[in-house]
Amino acid sequence: KQEVTQIPAALSVPEGENLVLNCSFTDSAIYNLQWFRQDPGKGLTSLLLIQSSQREQTSGRLNASLDKSSGRSTLYIAASQPGDSATYLCAGPHFTQLQGGSEKLVFGKGTKLTVNP
Amino acid sequence: NAGVTQTPKFRVLKTGQSMTLLCAQDMNHEYMYWYRQDPGMGLRLIHYSVGEGTTAKGEVPDGYNVSRLKKQNFLLGLESAAPSQTSVYFCASSLFSAALAGDMQFFGPGTRLTVL
Repeated sequence: KQEVTQIPAALSVPEGENLVLNCSFTDSAIYNLQWFRQDPGKGLTSLLLIQSSQREQTSGRLNASLDKSSGRSTLYIAASQPGDSATYLCAGPHFTQLQGGSEKLVFGKGTKLTVNP
Repeated sequence: NAGVTQTPKFRVLKTGQSMTLLCAQDMNHEYMYWYRQDPGMGLRLIHYSVGEGTTAKGEVPDGYNVSRLKKQNFLLGLESAAPSQTSVYFCASSLFSAALAGDMQFFGPGTRLTVL
């Protein structure tokens, strides 16, 4: 069974700092992992998707990596800005996908990021 | 494109009442999903659909029913609401499978439901 954990639950940094958000998963057979952003009172916005054949993906100041052997993914945010303040969630497929089971993404509970001006 | 829209945005129900949440997408996506988000529990999949006329159970389907009569719409019904169904409900869609193909999911803005 896939379990996704995000630590810390909350992070506060000064503007301009580079930071790393962590995501760990229990099923190393994971074949993709997604990072999302959620603003207060809003839905989720997909940021980056990493397929198992890839090691990392980049979009602007965001870089996500996937290390299946260690069961970890990281989201690196360069030169953080107050507008980056949000909750960041990662999600991976459930183990039963490999056996043709139900469609399911397992989400972490998120890291709430605050970037202070 | 409007993307994924949800109606209503807010709703208060009394225990035992019924209601239907509507999700609509204009991206011609095959897959649609209903999630609920609760503090400390994260996002959990209620039901999903892999195409028009199909539905399947997710992680927490009890107390909910769904229908996908048209490709662009996915309805979530509560037949007899309970306080445990107080939550924020999100609809999402993707062109291909988000889990199997790793396709990006697009989320609606959510419906905040309170059951008294």
